[in-house]
Amino acid sequence: GAGVSQSPSNKVTEKGKDVELRCDPISGHTALYWYRQSLGQGLEFLIYFQGNSAPDKSGLPSDRFSAERTGGSVSTLTIQRTQQEDSAVYLCASSLIQGLADTEAFFGQGTRLTVV
Amino acid sequence: DQQVKQNSPSLSVQEGRISILNCDYTNSMFDYFLWYKKYPAEGPTFLISISSIKDKNEDGRFTVFLNKSAKHLSLHIVPSQPGDSAVYFCAASAAYNTDKLIFGTGTRLQVFP
Repeated sequence: GAGVSQSPSNKVTEKGKDVELRCDPISGHTALYWYRQSLGQGLEFLIYFQGNSAPDKSGLPSDRFSAERTGGSVSTLTIQRTQQEDSAVYLCASSLIQGLADTEAFFGQGTRLTVV
Repeated sequence: DQQVKQNSPSLSVQEGRISILNCDYTNSMFDYFLWYKKYPAEGPTFLISISSIKDKNEDGRFTVFLNKSAKHLSLHIVPSQPGDSAVYFCAASAAYNTDKLIFGTGTRLQVFP
């Protein structure tokens, strides 16, 4: 596709269930980023991939959060045993090369996660 | 600890007038600053950036000003148009970690006719 695609666009889940969020970056983009935006907050960095490796996982809020990227393309963000504070819009971005400050990052439309 | 702050959650401006969106930061190691624009139900899109070696960068109707001593930057939109109505996020990064952008909470701009 022409842009970054995220699925699902909306997800409502019960507290304690696991969820998987998917990101399809722009073809050829080597860098992939996950951010989230909670209500009234700015975009919070979660994790960054260069190829299939994640040099920086420092933003993951807890060990319930994990992410992987396969084939240098699709990435999945998994949240285990979801809690209500996990409710947010989860945004994925990709860029052609590493370094968000040196190259434009393209964001997907986000996945709105609601934990009830 | 909010390292990038946008203290005005909203701004309303008449079409044709200037819109000024402000952003303050606390980390003196930040040396690259960006503005992103976000429409409802869409991801943020890159608007304009500035590095710390400059104090001004202009792109059409959009100009970003950087005051390093005050740790303050602003985005000027002139003339404002109704299509500019969106949420604007300020973001910053440090040279030692350009992979991590720190975002502010955003300012919702409404341009009315």
